[in-house]
Amino acid sequence: DGGITQSPKYLFRKEGQNVTLSCEQNLNHDAMYWYRQDPGQGLRLIYYSQIVNDFQKGDIAEGYSVSREKKESFPLTVTSAQKNPTAFYLCASSLERGSFLGYTFGSGTRLTVV
Amino acid sequence: AQSVTQPDIHITVSEGASLELRCNYSYGATPYLFWYVQSPGQGLQLLLKYFSGDTLVQGIKGFEAEFKRSQSSFNLRKPSVHWSDAAEYFCAVGREYGNKLVFGAGTILRVKS
Repeated sequence: DGGITQSPKYLFRKEGQNVTLSCEQNLNHDAMYWYRQDPGQGLRLIYYSQIVNDFQKGDIAEGYSVSREKKESFPLTVTSAQKNPTAFYLCASSLERGSFLGYTFGSGTRLTVV
Repeated sequence: AQSVTQPDIHITVSEGASLELRCNYSYGATPYLFWYVQSPGQGLQLLLKYFSGDTLVQGIKGFEAEFKRSQSSFNLRKPSVHWSDAAEYFCAVGREYGNKLVFGAGTILRVKS
């Protein structure tokens, strides 16, 4: 079955560490997105990519980095510069220019700073 | 710029009762509208979407939504709620050309027996 796989489901980070969240899709979607979810704040866009080797900052990109070397993969790195990284992270994908078709979401990664 | 407002942070309904979750949007042209549902610790699942045509849209799990242009609303309804409907619900707006959806803050639905 086609879908989006996020790993790991739970991730713990020590202060000052960089961590990378994985997102892989086999839907042949062109566009991929990373959202951060905090209680009561809905989904906030971190980064998005419409095509391989290209990506754009979303609303809260500071302290995060991404790469898009393959169509299927869009990993997110949470750097030590992100002051409050504890959150639930969601990856999504869609066809290019396909917002009207909606997104397909992964099951999320919960990141906790310890 | 597009924006979405979900006025109710929490709603509690009795099992078997009807449900309406409110969503208001701000967008200059014809919007593309979506409702998603999220169970705790999970991703978002698409319930239904509206692009054009009939303003009453049917979705999965017995949900429906009605687009009212005059009120800039896209409210989600269900005639009889089941305990398994307890979750968080998100309304989102997009446009025909472009990839980014804008999400509301969500409404948490609690179902009491």
